[in-house]
This record gives sequence, structure tokens and C-alpha cells, in this order.
Amino acid sequence: NAGVTQTPKFQVLKTGQSMTLQCAQDMNHEYMSWYRQDPGMGLRLIHYSVGAGITDQGEVPNGYNVSRSTTEDFPLRLLSAAPSQTSVYFCASSYIRAPYYEQYFGPGTRLTVT
Amino acid sequence: GESVGLHLPTLSVQEGDNSIINCAYSNSASDYFIWYKQESGKGPQFIIDIRSNMDKRQGQRVTVLLNKTVKHLSLQIAATQPGDSAVYFCAESREGAQKLVFGQGTRLTINP
Repeated sequence: NAGVTQTPKFQVLKTGQSMTLQCAQDMNHEYMSWYRQDPGMGLRLIHYSVGAGITDQGEVPNGYNVSRSTTEDFPLRLLSAAPSQTSVYFCASSYIRAPYYEQYFGPGTRLTVT
Repeated sequence: GESVGLHLPTLSVQEGDNSIINCAYSNSASDYFIWYKQESGKGPQFIIDIRSNMDKRQGQRVTVLLNKTVKHLSLQIAATQPGDSAVYFCAESREGAQKLVFGQGTRLTINP
């Protein structure tokens, strides 16, 4: 299994540009999520999905859109990039089963917005 | 609101010594506490978890202690090795929850 894969690894955008961060998993996990990690801080949840066709907002959803058309893929779209979105983005996935969702993380995408 | 925080942002230990990483939490409704390890340039990796009705759980070279009275969680790493160098995060969750709440992280460095 490849686990959780993310592309690209690095990206530089200009303010106002849009782009999509890709995330895929091959473990047949129902749950997928996106986090951002800023320097010196923990991970903050952006959006998550409990299955194909179902998405919901996390702690910091503004400026980001998601969709889940398949179990495997969960892309994150930046609609109009802003410098405040400079961060490292992690995708994670897990099974939905008790007691909680033990999440597997991808390697991350480092995004810089100038 | 909910928050999970750490006492120390950095910890430096001698190779072979034991490491203790601390974490304070504020949500008494949390059912599970989880420790993640993040090596440079990688995503977080699950280490160990503990349920709120336990006060101690041991894994391979790691022990997690939970003190609900003072809302404190710690991760002990025995005989610290160079490969233990990483940032360690505590996180909390509730039974069947769809979210993890992460703390700030502690950077552990190993001195030869």
C-alpha cells in the first residue's frame, strides 16, 4: 500500500491565484481530513469527510473548499490564495470505527503565498 | 473552548537518558488522548494512546501517564535514541469523534 499520498510537495502561489492540493489513499478509509500546520503550532483541522459525497467544516475552513466524489480522493481547493494561507498542509485518513479515528497522515504539501 | 497545550516547546536530553514530554489539556469531556511523533519533513505518526479511564499505558519504550485531577498527560521515552529526535504532539478526542484537537508540540533533541 502507498498509504496517504499528497501532491505537490512544494508550491508557490501569488496572491489571488487558485489551486488544488491533491490527496489520495489506498486503504479504503472512510474518513479523510485536511489540516494546516503553521510554525510553532499544532495541526488545525480545515475540512473533513466521513465518506463519498459527505464533507464538513473543521476549525479553520475559510478560504478552502473540498469535495469527496470517491473514497480514495479528497482534494483541497484554495479559491483565492492569500499570504495567511502560507503553511504546511497535511491530509489524513482513517477507518470510522470505535473508539476514535486513528489517523494516518500524508507527507505534507508546503505552500507559500507571496 | 477546547485546548490542548504543552508546558515546554523544546526538550534536550542525552542519548540513553529517559525523556519526559508533558501536555496539559482543558477539556474534561475528552475520552482519549493520543501522542503523535513528527519527524522533520514528514507527517505525524501515531505512537500511543490512552483512554480517560486509565492512568497509565505502556508500549515499546514508551509510557503514557494520565492525571485527570490536574488534566495532565505525559509521554515517557526510555533510553532515548537519536531516532527519537522529532516534534511530539499530544491530541485529544472523544468516543466516536470525527476530530482530533492537537497541542502545540514539543521538539525533542538528543545530545550524543
